[in-house]
Formats: sequence, structure tokens, C-alpha cells
Amino acid sequence: GESVGLHLPTLSVQEGDNSIINCAYSNSASDYFIWYKQESGKGPQFIIDIRSNMDKRQGQRVTVLLNKTVKHLSLQIAATQPGDSAVYFCAEILISGGYQKVTFGTGTKLQVIP
Amino acid sequence: SQTIHQWPATLVQPVGSPLSLECTVEGTSNPNLYWYRQAAGRGLQLLFYSVGIGQISSEVPQNLSASRPQDRQFILSSKKLLLSDSGFYLCAWSEGTGREQYFGPGTRLTVT
Repeated sequence: GESVGLHLPTLSVQEGDNSIINCAYSNSASDYFIWYKQESGKGPQFIIDIRSNMDKRQGQRVTVLLNKTVKHLSLQIAATQPGDSAVYFCAEILISGGYQKVTFGTGTKLQVIP
Repeated sequence: SQTIHQWPATLVQPVGSPLSLECTVEGTSNPNLYWYRQAAGRGLQLLFYSVGIGQISSEVPQNLSASRPQDRQFILSSKKLLLSDSGFYLCAWSEGTGREQYFGPGTRLTVT
């Protein structure tokens, strides 16, 4: 069936370095994609999204890249900080009849080394 | 501004006992509402979604049920809990045509 998954379950990065978190998806009909950040014991927080007709979108210190050819999504965090330590989820969203169906990946844990 | 509340924050229940988790949204009307479960170290699994009062769709077969008695109230229930029902339950809302889902603080359920 359709699925969204992540390549790396855990990523350790030195403070100040850039982080790259990857995600593979299989539903080519998805309308857009979202990256969420989830800190321990809390609900996910929206980071950035990208529509399926885009290749790149930038936010504050974050960039999302979408490669539809290989169905790959990545989240780049510039100058990683200790506060970035969390689990990051990618999600694909399919909009149908006014309802959005969200399928989440399993998540990547980002550990920032001070 | 919009806010989403969930309670209780944590819950320990014995196997076979009933369950009722509540989620309420403030500051918006006719939101889409969602219940997710997150098992330890796992991703989020969509359990139910609702596009309006009394309209509930289930994504996976289970011993859980959901109800939406009011526009901004979403309830997750079970008549008899199983050990496998343990997890972190998240409620979320979105605008009908919006992209972003806004998550509540979650309820950590432990079934013993």
C-alpha cells in the first residue's frame, strides 16, 4: 500500500553544523508534504510545507526539497542548535472532498551535540 | 487565536476498563478533527477523522470509537481497553481547505 518512510531513524549532528533529514514517499498523487517537529512528550509542531508542484521552499533556517522523480523529501536545518533536538516527521497530504488525509512517516530523532 | 485542548494529560487504566478522552478546539468553526495514536518510538497513526458534527470516519479497525457531539468537541472512547491500546493519543484540527494540522498536547495512556 501507500506509505511514507524515513531513511535514518537517528541523526547526531554537531552544534552549528547543518542537518539533513530524509524521507521517502510512495503516493505520487499527494498534494503536498509537511515536516513536523515533535519534542519529547509534546504534540507535533508544524515546521514547513511544500506543494507537490514545487521543488524547494525555504523558511527560517530550514529548507525543504522535493524530488518527485525519486519520490524523495528532505529537510535541511542550517546552523543546528540544541533546541533543534527532537523527532522530525515527514507527512504526505492528499486532499479529497474538502478533507485532507495525512500519512506520517515513523520519524527521525535528531540529536544535537553541544 | 485558536487553541486545542486535550484531557487528561496522562491516564493509567486496567485492561478491560472503559476509556474516554476529550478534545476541544476554540477560536474556529467547523474544523476538521482528527485522532491519532503514537506508539512508543513509532510514527503517528490516524485513527479517526471528522468533517462535521456526527460525521466520523475510521481509518483502522480497532476497539476504539469516536464521537463528535458538538462542532468543536471530539471524543475518543473504548468499552474495554486492551494492552495494545497503550500509547500517546493526539487530537488535531485543520481548516476545511487548509493544509496545516494543529495538534493538541496529547494524552499518554498506559493500559496495565
